[in-house]
Amino acid sequence: DSGVTQTPKHLITATGQRVTLRCSPRSGDLSVYWYQQSLDQGLQFLIQYYNGEERAKGNILERFSAQQFPDLHSELNLSSLELGDSALYFCASSVASGTGGTNEKLFFGSGTQLSVL
Amino acid sequence: QQQVKQSPQSLIVQKGGISIINCAYENTAFDYFPWYQQFPGKGPALLIAIRPDVSEKKEGRFTISFNKSAKQFSLHIMDSQPGDSATYFCASPPRYSTLTFGKGTMLLVSP
Repeated sequence: DSGVTQTPKHLITATGQRVTLRCSPRSGDLSVYWYQQSLDQGLQFLIQYYNGEERAKGNILERFSAQQFPDLHSELNLSSLELGDSALYFCASSVASGTGGTNEKLFFGSGTQLSVL
Repeated sequence: QQQVKQSPQSLIVQKGGISIINCAYENTAFDYFPWYQQFPGKGPALLIAIRPDVSEKKEGRFTISFNKSAKQFSLHIMDSQPGDSATYFCASPPRYSTLTFGKGTMLLVSP
């Protein structure tokens, strides 16, 4: 068990809808990262928050947004969903601030499988 | 973003054999190179990592070899076991940036 909790485990929705994915990081970790995993693209970095503030942005669509709350849990909001958004979404946490290096050991949750029908 | 090219995409190895996965990177500013292991239904987990000041690191049956001049690092799994069947990701953390993963290698170790 990595200590990172993601809910829900599975989500089935229709095109055009909006969903929220939730992540609780490991105790003491200030950074939360969101990744999207699909068969053809592998693990794609979406966005990172550190202690409530956005730290880094990757290949995140404008239809997607995220935030990190004062209790350090994070939510990833996906709106105007399309079929191509179907993927496994992972949250990871680390003690590091995202400046790279040996401290940036990521602990991943078990993911949320999103299916857009 | 930092590009990391991983090969092969998939690999089938017989039990007891050696599994070799390669990763090529572009950026020269780095602190370490980790490998993550992912089992079906689970998130990736750190398996082993190497710093650029050493050419090889071994942990049990897992070894990372690092070739700085070729900008490549490889994961070797000795005496591969069916329990090693998983997807393996290399990653490159450019300094002042976050982890960028390769596309993964699906390893199947046949009994």
